[in-house]
Amino acid sequence: DGGITQSPKYLFRKEGQNVTLSCEQNLNHDAMYWYRQDPGQGLRLIYYSQIVNDFQKGDIAEGYSVSREKKESFPLTVTSAQKNPTAFYLCASSTQSGTSYNEQFFGPGTRLTVL
Amino acid sequence: GENVEQHPSTLSVQEGDSAVIKCTYSDSASNYFPWYKQELGKGPQLIIDIRSNVGEKKDQRIAVTLNKTAKHFSLHITETQPEDSAVYFCAASSPNTGFQKLVFGTGTRLLVSP
Repeated sequence: DGGITQSPKYLFRKEGQNVTLSCEQNLNHDAMYWYRQDPGQGLRLIYYSQIVNDFQKGDIAEGYSVSREKKESFPLTVTSAQKNPTAFYLCASSTQSGTSYNEQFFGPGTRLTVL
Repeated sequence: GENVEQHPSTLSVQEGDSAVIKCTYSDSASNYFPWYKQELGKGPQLIIDIRSNVGEKKDQRIAVTLNKTAKHFSLHITETQPEDSAVYFCAASSPNTGFQKLVFGTGTRLLVSP
């Protein structure tokens, strides 16, 4: 079964702690993305990666970090520097885009709550 | 940069009625416009998309129209069913950044009552 998996589904964190969200895909996609979703808002891009060992900041990268050591994995770390980390986090992937149109496939999401 | 506005934020219809969701975008270079459906607690799923060289596209009960001059596009769902109840997001993509960046609208919660 091809797809994107995210774990855990729910995550609770104390203030001041870093936490890492997992994203794995077996679609053989080159590009991967992390979005944040808040109630009443659209999805906002945190980071994206077009190829292994390369990634770029999106619109709201402050307080987040990523790595892309393997094609199928794109973990997101929410650091203590992120002031409002409570949100629903979505990972997506697509074939390498360049300037062409490619559907982004989304994972089921991780709901992070800071206590 | 690109800005996408979406209306209405909430839409309630009776089963069998039509539903229309509208979006406007700001970047005239945008050339790809997908629509995603998100069910509660799940990730968004693409339901239909349109390229800037096409004015309309239809897939069974779902259709999307694009007006490049006015910079707006709309999702039309006919013969709505309770399982259509979900949050719908429009998005626009511009290649200006060198990769396909999607900018999303704020979503429309559609409720279809039996």
